[in-house]
Amino acid sequence: DAGVIQSPRHEVTEMGQEVTLRCKPISGHNSLFWYRQTMMRGLELLIYFNNNVPIDDSGMPEDRFSAKMPNASFSTLKIQPSEPRDSAVYFCASSLSHRVLTGNTIYFGEGSWLTVV
Amino acid sequence: DQQVKQNSPSLSVQEGRISILNCDYTNSMFDYFLWYKKYPAEGPTFLISISSIKDKNEDGRFTVFLNKSAKHLSLHIVPSQPGDSAVYFCAASSNEKLTFGTGTRLTIIP
Repeated sequence: DAGVIQSPRHEVTEMGQEVTLRCKPISGHNSLFWYRQTMMRGLELLIYFNNNVPIDDSGMPEDRFSAKMPNASFSTLKIQPSEPRDSAVYFCASSLSHRVLTGNTIYFGEGSWLTVV
Repeated sequence: DQQVKQNSPSLSVQEGRISILNCDYTNSMFDYFLWYKKYPAEGPTFLISISSIKDKNEDGRFTVFLNKSAKHLSLHIVPSQPGDSAVYFCAASSNEKLTFGTGTRLTIIP
C-alpha cells in the first residue's frame, strides 16, 4: 500500500513568494493532519481535517497560512507570502479517525523541506 | 507553552545497554501517550503507546512506563541496537489531538 505522499520533497523559495505544499493521504483514511517540525518546538499541529472538513486550525501561525482539502484524496497547505522563519519541515499525516484510540495511529508522509531565503 | 517536554535533546548509549528516553507533560487531561521514531529524511513512525489507565506497556525490546502522579513517561529500549539510532518523539493525546515533544536524538555506539 502507498503511504502518505507529499510533494515537493524539497522547496527553496525567495521571501515573499507563494509556497504550496501538497498531500495525498492513505486511501480510506478519514482524517488528515498538517504538522510543522522545527528544532525549537518539535512537531506542531497546524490544522487537521475530518471527512474533508477543517476541525481545528488553531495551530496555524498566521493568516499567511491556509489549508484546503477539496476531496478525500488531496490536501494543500499554502503560505503566502512566505518568510524566512517559515523554513521548516512540513509533514502531512493521515489516520482512520481523528480520535486517538487503542491501535489507531497516525501515519506520516516523508515531509516537505521548505527553505525560504 | 510546551505541554509535552523532552528535556534531553540527545542521548548516546553503548550497543547492548539500556536506552532510557524521558518525557514530561503538564496537561492532566492527556489520556493516551505514544512514542514515535524518526529516521533522517523520513516521516515519524509509530513505535509504542500506553493508555493513561495503565502504568506499563511492553512490546519486545521496547517498554513504556507511565507515572501519572509525576506526569512523566519513559521509553526503555533493551538491549539497544545500532538500528535504534534515530530521533524519538513523545506524544500525548487529548480531545482527539496529538501534542508532540521536541524530540530526543538517540545515538547507539557500536
